[in-house]
Amino acid sequence: EAGVTQFPSHSVIEKGQTVTLRCDPISGHDNLYWYRRVMGKEIKFLLHFVKESKQDESGMPNNRFLAERTGGTYSTLKVQPAELEDSGVYFCASSPAYRGGTEAFFGQGTRLTVV
Amino acid sequence: SQKIEQNSEALNIQEGKTATLTCNYTNYSPAYLQWYRQDPGRGPVFLLLIRENEKEKRKERLKVTFDTTLKQSLFHITASQPADSATYLCALLFSGGYNKLIFGAGTRLAVHP
Repeated sequence: EAGVTQFPSHSVIEKGQTVTLRCDPISGHDNLYWYRRVMGKEIKFLLHFVKESKQDESGMPNNRFLAERTGGTYSTLKVQPAELEDSGVYFCASSPAYRGGTEAFFGQGTRLTVV
Repeated sequence: SQKIEQNSEALNIQEGKTATLTCNYTNYSPAYLQWYRQDPGRGPVFLLLIRENEKEKRKERLKVTFDTTLKQSLFHITASQPADSATYLCALLFSGGYNKLIFGAGTRLAVHP
């Protein structure tokens, strides 16, 4: 069974440009999460989808970040325009229908560098 | 302010010994606490989950304790091996919070032959 996959694995863009990150969750997982780790800090929650609906987007830093989940399958996270402080590693995770505290399956992450 | 603290310095131990990692939290009352392993360039990998009404959970060489009075979890790896070298993250989860995990910064473990 394929795990959570993220594309690209690395991205280097200039300040002001747009970048789109993609996440393919484990097939059949209703829940999809985005997290990120900025330099030297802990991994922090960004948002959560249940199928195609945003359940919680309380962690999104500002309106330069836009997340979508088409048809409840893969998800994209767009940053437009990118700023230097957006640099970090963006992780996607998925989990099955909620059963209370169930484990999250993480992708390998996308390392974003804004220069 | 709400905070999760893990040993910021790396833990170095000899192969075969027991590694003990600490996770302390303040101002939280989590329903669950999870431990993850993270290797360089990889995403976190789930290891164990313990519920607020459980004191201890074991899985092979791993043991987790959860003291909600002390607001502390201890993570033990017995008979440690060099392959156990990694960063270990604790994460809090709240009832009804799906998997909106709140992570500590992690502790790096190095097991030497």
